[in-house]
Amino acid sequence: GQSLEQPSEVTAVEGAIVQINCTYQTSGFYGLSWYQQHDGGAPTFLSYNGLDGLEETGRFSSFLSRSDSYGYLLLQELQMKDSASYFCAVRDGGFKTIFGAGTRLFVKA
Amino acid sequence: GAGVSQSPSNKVTEKGKDVELRCDPISGHTALYWYRQSLGQGLEFLIYFQGNSAPDKSGLPSDRFSAERTGGSVSTLTIQRTQQEDSAVYLCASSLMLSGASTDTQYFGPGTRLTVL
Repeated sequence: GQSLEQPSEVTAVEGAIVQINCTYQTSGFYGLSWYQQHDGGAPTFLSYNGLDGLEETGRFSSFLSRSDSYGYLLLQELQMKDSASYFCAVRDGGFKTIFGAGTRLFVKA
Repeated sequence: GAGVSQSPSNKVTEKGKDVELRCDPISGHTALYWYRQSLGQGLEFLIYFQGNSAPDKSGLPSDRFSAERTGGSVSTLTIQRTQQEDSAVYLCASSLMLSGASTDTQYFGPGTRLTVL
């Protein structure tokens, strides 16, 4: 089957760094994406990795290792507004996108 | 209106009734997705439309679910004979899926919260 595994919850303090891991098992692979969703809101795109390595976008970075079927999202200088759910997603080689169950991030003062 | 819009924002219906959910994608976006999200859960893929190609319906949970996309733009998701387990938020997303592209950033609408009593 196709699945993406990520932790259900992560808690961190303001100003800290947090890493959210994602491992995937899919029939095909066209890259790993990350989306953020605040309570009651729609998911919004954060980052994409098509090739191995690190992609940086401001306070957010994302990493991919295709040989390990593994990636992570790194959030630096955490702010209260970063409290949200974060989803990893894989395009499976066709056009279908498989999402993980999401990681709920709690940022404490 | 630059974003994806969905209507209605909320729908309460009785078990056994049919419902129609509408999605207006971003103008010019060729790809359109429907997802279902239950409370506190991830996004469950339902169906995908890309241009004039046959849609990928592999995620539809039963034959009570159907969707169409008219004129390559607006899409309607129809659920017949609704059941209580159909209660969820139904999200639509669109993307500019370029030929040969390896990624498509999906832009999501606000969703329709469906409650089946």
